[in-house]
Amino acid sequence: AQSVTQPDIHITVSEGASLELRCNYSYGATPYLFWYVQSPGQGLQLLLKYFSGDTLVQGIKGFEAEFKRSQSSFNLRKPSVHWSDAAEYFCAVESSNFGNEKLTFGTGTRLTIIP
Amino acid sequence: EAQVTQNPRYLITVTGKKLTVTCSQNMNHEYMSWYRQDPGLGLRQIYYSMNVEVTDKGDVPEGYKVSRKEKRNFPLILESPSPNQTSLYFCASSLLRGSYNEQFFGPGTRLTVL
Repeated sequence: AQSVTQPDIHITVSEGASLELRCNYSYGATPYLFWYVQSPGQGLQLLLKYFSGDTLVQGIKGFEAEFKRSQSSFNLRKPSVHWSDAAEYFCAVESSNFGNEKLTFGTGTRLTIIP
Repeated sequence: EAQVTQNPRYLITVTGKKLTVTCSQNMNHEYMSWYRQDPGLGLRQIYYSMNVEVTDKGDVPEGYKVSRKEKRNFPLILESPSPNQTSLYFCASSLLRGSYNEQFFGPGTRLTVL
C-alpha cells in the first residue's frame, strides 16, 4: 500500500531564509505527487504536482519541488520565505485502483515564520 | 467560478442526531471523494464516487454513508454521529484519470459531536 512520510512535524524559519520541506513516499508504480498548503482555517490549495517528465516542477507562490526516484522523495523548496507562507503543508501521492483516484497524505508539516 | 462548496462550514451536534454535510461542484467532474482530517493523521479517505450511482468505501468508512444521485452533488451522511467523528471534513472532486487531473477541495466542514 502507498504511504507518505513527512518527517518534520513543525519547522520554524526566519523571514527571507530558504525553506525545504521533506517528503518521502512509498508507491509501487510511477507516482503522481502533490504538495498542498492549508492556511489557518482554510481549505487545501494545490501548490504543485508531478506526473512525469522534468523532475523539477514549479508551482505557485514561488515554490518548487524535486522528484528523486532513487530516494523516493519529493521535497518542497522555496528560496526566500515570506510571513504569508506560514501554514501547514501536505505532501500526497495519488493512486488509481479500480478507478479510485485516492490521495494518500502525509501527516503534514507546520511552518512558522519568525521576523 | 469553478469551485467545490460545502455546507455547513461549522456544525456542533450531539451524539446520535443524524446529520448531512452537503458537497457540490460546478466543474462537471465525474470523481468525488470525502476525506477527514485529524491532527497527526493527515487526511484519510472516507468514501468516493466515480460517477452517478457509483460509490465505494475508502479507508475509514465506518459510521458514514454517501449518495450520488446527481453528478454535481455528493452528500456525506452521519446516521448516528459519535464523538470520535469530531473532525474536519473535506470534499474533493476531479475529472477521472486520463487528463492529468488535479483534485479540487472544498473549504472544509468542522464538525463537533458532543
